[in-house]
Amino acid sequence: GQNIDQPTEMTATEGAIVQINCTYQTSGFNGLFWYQQHAGEAPTFLSYNVLDGLEEKGRFSSFLSRSKGYSYLLLKELQMKDSASYLCALHTSGYSTLTFGKGTMLLVSP
Amino acid sequence: ETGVTQSPTHLIKTRGQQVTLRCSSQSGHNTVSWYQQALGQGPQFIFQYYREEENGRGNFPPRFSGLQFPNYSSELNVNALELDDSALYLCASSLDGAPNQPQHFGDGTRLSIL
Repeated sequence: GQNIDQPTEMTATEGAIVQINCTYQTSGFNGLFWYQQHAGEAPTFLSYNVLDGLEEKGRFSSFLSRSKGYSYLLLKELQMKDSASYLCALHTSGYSTLTFGKGTMLLVSP
Repeated sequence: ETGVTQSPTHLIKTRGQQVTLRCSSQSGHNTVSWYQQALGQGPQFIFQYYREEENGRGNFPPRFSGLQFPNYSSELNVNALELDDSALYLCASSLDGAPNQPQHFGDGTRLSIL
């Protein structure tokens, strides 16, 4: 089976930098996704890591270490609109399905 | 480019009833996955359809069933509804189910069981 752990909640201030961690135990996976989900809305794709290392996309970066079973999402120059749930998901082999963590609710305050 | 659309947006049913939820995939996408998201939880995989065939299934009982049509739209059917079936049901589409293709989600159907 698979187990994915994320902090339940985090708070940060507008303009700051925040790192959301994700640890996992799995027998194998293709890659790791990060999704953003605002309340009452669909999850939207943020990033995908296959190889170890950092992937940067504007204000968002994601890091993966397969040997450590660890990933993080880094959000820079936080804006109020970044208040949302951030979901870490493993893309498993075989058929391509996503196994999600419970999500981290990020609250950005002025 | 048309995104993933789901209907209805909200639905209220009672225990024992049956429900059908619908999903139109993003144009060009031939793979549809269904997820159940309980309040405060991450989405849980129900099943996936690829070219009208079930391509994988999560840990859900047989009363959860589905279909995919030639235009790649899809239905999720749930029989003998239980209170625990109250959740947000998400549909996601992708191309060929390839590992590096992100799944694009619809806004979901909020199902409440009384």
